[in-house]
Amino acid sequence: AQKVTQAQTEISVVEKEDVTLDCVYETRDTTYYLFWYKQPPSGELVFLIRRNSFDEQNEISGRYSWNFQKSTSSFNFTITASQVVDSAVYFCAFGGSQGNLIFGKGTKLSVKP
Amino acid sequence: DAGVIQSPRHEVTEMGQEVTLRCKPISGHDYLFWYRQTMMRGLELLIYFNNNVPIDDSGMPEDRFSAKMPNASFSTLKIQPSEPRDSAVYFCASQPRGPEEFFGPGTRLTVL
Repeated sequence: AQKVTQAQTEISVVEKEDVTLDCVYETRDTTYYLFWYKQPPSGELVFLIRRNSFDEQNEISGRYSWNFQKSTSSFNFTITASQVVDSAVYFCAFGGSQGNLIFGKGTKLSVKP
Repeated sequence: DAGVIQSPRHEVTEMGQEVTLRCKPISGHDYLFWYRQTMMRGLELLIYFNNNVPIDDSGMPEDRFSAKMPNASFSTLKIQPSEPRDSAVYFCASQPRGPEEFFGPGTRLTVL
């Protein structure tokens, strides 16, 4: 069965610090997708990124970057020079052959000024 | 496109009452999902549909919960009778044939 583990329940940093959110997944599927979603205090789920299992290239989007390593079944998310607006709960999710997403428990990030 | 639309955004009801949550998916999306989010259990899939047909309802907690999708543009999640432990945020999401799910804003349900 598929599983997503976000071991960090809460992280607190000071503005401008870099922070990495960890995500480890378990699956026997060979084709799958990995996602990150952001849930700000307002409650909506905001899509950040999707990677498929055949593409291990790291991705950078502004201050956000993602490191996908199949060898360790990890899909970590780094925010560089964090800002107060980055404060949110971040969810890692797995999408396999079933069609639905399996979410991790989320990591609550607090960025203090 | 307006995105996934959910109504109501907030619902407060008393234990024992029937609650109906509504969802309008993005036009053209083949899949529709209902999730529930609580502090204790996080985000859980309740049920999902493909082309209006329920595919997996194993996440529906008990017989008090039912979901329908009478057509491609509308789905409901009904709880009857409601209980305080049903209090949660309920998300609807739709998905085209690709893997990305688009979430609605959620309905915050409080059962007193």
